[in-house]
Formats: sequence, structure tokens, C-alpha cells
Amino acid sequence: AQTVTQSQPEMSVQEAETVTLSCTYDTSENNYYLFWYKQPPSRQMILVIRQEAYKQQNATENRFSVNFQKAAKSFSLKISDSQLGDTAMYFCAFMLGSNFGNEKLTFGTGTRLTIIP
Amino acid sequence: GAGVSQSPSNKVTEKGKDVELRCDPISGHTALYWYRQSLGQGLEFLIYFQGNSAPDKSGLPSDRFSAERTGGSVSTLTIQRTQQEDSAVYLCASSLYKDRGHGYTFGSGTRLTVV
Repeated sequence: AQTVTQSQPEMSVQEAETVTLSCTYDTSENNYYLFWYKQPPSRQMILVIRQEAYKQQNATENRFSVNFQKAAKSFSLKISDSQLGDTAMYFCAFMLGSNFGNEKLTFGTGTRLTIIP
Repeated sequence: GAGVSQSPSNKVTEKGKDVELRCDPISGHTALYWYRQSLGQGLEFLIYFQGNSAPDKSGLPSDRFSAERTGGSVSTLTIQRTQQEDSAVYLCASSLYKDRGHGYTFGSGTRLTVV
């Protein structure tokens, strides 16, 4: 079974600073996907960024980037120039690749991020 | 529709009553998922529907929980004889099969409170 661990229950950072959220996972497979989701107070989970395990290049989406270390099974999220709207719960998630039937996402327990004005 | 729609947004029920939660996925999305998010916890997988295949019910916590998906579209999650530990946010998501690298689109959830 796959597991996802987020060791930082809460974090806070000043507006405009950079913050890094940690995530580690455990799997014996080589073909998988990793995701970061954001959950603001509205409760809707929003996909922030995704990474395909067979790609060595780290994914980037505007101010959001990841540091994917496959051998270490680490997948951290870096938010640059943080904004007040980034305040939310952030969940790291794992999904096995297409050679497996089930597309179930396995989530970590989340990190509550607060951006301080 | 444009997004995944869930109803009701909030539900308060008395212990022992049955509740039904509804999910209307994005049109054309063949896969539908239910997750439960308890206070301070991550998301716990409940059930997964894919097209006409038998659903994956491996995450349902007890036989009081059931779900169906009619016509490959709308899904209903039913909890019978609700207990206080059932209080949580129930999230529904949908996706295009064979497009798993893009993740899911989630609804805003139903917050269930059992009193």
C-alpha cells in the first residue's frame, strides 16, 4: 500500500516571502503521479501542481514549483512571493500510473499555511 | 455542468437517521469518487465508480454506507442509522478515465453534522 506523509501540520510566513511545504511518500512502484492540492475555507480542493514520476524535470506553475527527489521519495512544494490568497490547507497526494486499474488518490494529512500580511 | 456540484452544502441530522448526499459530476467524466474528510484529518477514500464497471467499495467504513451512480452520471452516497463519528465533510470528485495524470476535479463537499 502507498502512504503519504506531511510532517508539518501548520506553517506561517510573511507575505511576499518564500515557503516550502514538505511531503514524503512510500511506494514500491516506479510509475506514478504526485499532486499538490489547495483547500481554502470554501472547502473545494484545487489542483495546484502535478508531477509525473518518469519525468526528471521539476514541475512549475507560475509561483508554485516542486522539488521532486525520486530516490528519496520526497515531493516538496515551494511557493514564491507568497500572497494572502495562498492561505489554505495544502495536501500532497499520490496516484499509481496507468498500468494499474485503480485511479485512487492517496492523501497526506495536510499542512495549514497562513500568509501573514 | 461547469464543475462538480454537491448537495446539500451542509446537513445536520439526528443520530440514528438516514441521510443522502448527492454529487453531480462534470459532464463527460466517466470516473467518480467519494472521499471523507474528518476534522484535522486528510482525505479518506470511500468508493470509486468507473463507467459500467463494478465500483471499488473498499473504502466504505461499514455496511451502513452505500453509494450508487445512476446512468453513469449523478451519484448518491447514503449513510444509514447515522452515528456521531460520521460527522465529517464528504467530498465528491470526477475525472476523465485514462487521463489520470491530470488528477481530479472536486466539488465543495457536504458538511455532515450528526447530533
